[in-house]
Parts: sequence; structure tokens; C-alpha cells
Amino acid sequence: DTGVSQDPRHKITKRGQNVTFRCDPISEHNRLYWYRQTLGQGPEFLTYFQNEAQLEKSRLLSDRFSAERPKGSFSTLEIQRTEQGDSAMYLCASSPRVSGETQYFGPGTRLLVL
Amino acid sequence: AQKITQTQPGMFVQEKEAVTLDCTYDTSDPSYGLFWYKQPSSGEMIFLIYQGSYDQQNATEGRYSLNFQKARKSANLVISASQLGDSAMYFCAMGADRGSTLGRLYFGRGTQLTVWP
Repeated sequence: DTGVSQDPRHKITKRGQNVTFRCDPISEHNRLYWYRQTLGQGPEFLTYFQNEAQLEKSRLLSDRFSAERPKGSFSTLEIQRTEQGDSAMYLCASSPRVSGETQYFGPGTRLLVL
Repeated sequence: AQKITQTQPGMFVQEKEAVTLDCTYDTSDPSYGLFWYKQPSSGEMIFLIYQGSYDQQNATEGRYSLNFQKARKSANLVISASQLGDSAMYFCAMGADRGSTLGRLYFGRGTQLTVWP
């Protein structure tokens, strides 16, 4: 049984560049979540999918952010025209079909925007 | 709106002793779930324990137990027999109760636990 995986684990980019992160959930989990965590804070919800449908988006998810989950398997989170304020840990989690079930997190992607 | 408050930025405990990490919450939903996660310096969030708002008994998972006081809206985590490997950041979170239609978790700011020999 493999857990949630994320790629890359670390990303350094220059302001204005686009970045894309990938998340592979636990195979039998239908729900997939994205969170952002900045230093000294708890994770903040960004968006989540049930299968390929994006069911909820946070107001934190500005127009520069887009998430997809084609075919209901892996998901990608893209940030366009990165800003220094985007520097954070981006966490992915998955849970089984039933709402409210425990979310299991991946190792995260640390983004640094210079 | 849902809100989680963790008032202890840092806690220290000696190995083999018990420690309580505080968590209070605010919600207008009649049904909800409370979670505790551990985050070591590596960054991964590790699920520890879950308590449903309608559960009659406090949840326990090995050395972890949740002291749930619904009237006070508190859900404190108790770690018994602390180990050096327990040193980490601990987050309290609130989400939907199992069976509801909501998805997101709301997290507190965390408590940094340090276990010393």
C-alpha cells in the first residue's frame, strides 16, 4: 500500500515563472484535496475534487491558480506568474469516497519564489 | 464560520511523562469531526486521532487520547508516555462529521512539542 505522493518535493523558481505540481493519491481514494501552508501557520484549504469533478474552491485560489484531476486519478496544481507570496508548502491529501473520512497527506512540495 | 484555536505555541515534556495539547473550536454546525495531526520537521502531516461530535466516548489510539468536552468546545490531545520521537508540530483540525457532504479541514496554528530526555 503506497501513500500519497507528490512531485517535486522542492521547487525554486523566479518571480513571474509558471510552476506545476503533481499529486498521486492513494489508489482507492476518490477525494483529493490541496492545501497551502506558510511558515508558522496551519494548512489552509485550496480546493478539492471528487473523482474528476472540482467540488469546492477557496477564495485563496486566485486566477493564477488552477487545479485539475483528469480521469479522477492524479491531480496537478499550476501557479502562473508566480509571486514571492506564493512561497509555501503545498500539501495534497486524499480520502475515501465517504465525506468526512480521514484525509491522508502527502509529503508536500516546498515552493520558493525568488 | 469554523475556527480552531491552539493557544500553546510550544510545549515541553520530559520523556515518559504525559502531556496535554489544547484545542478549542467554534462552529455552528450540529455535526462535525475533530482531528489531530502530527507534522515532523520533514513536513508530512501524519493522522493521529479522530473524534466525531456525536461520539459518546472519547477517542483513543494507542498512546493518544482525545479529551472531548462538547459543552466547552474543546478537544485536547493527551499523549501518554512521551517518546523522543514525539517531538513535532501538532495540529488540531475540524471538518465534516463522517457521512456529511463537506470536504475541507480547518486547521489551528499548531503547537510545537519538544520531548527532552
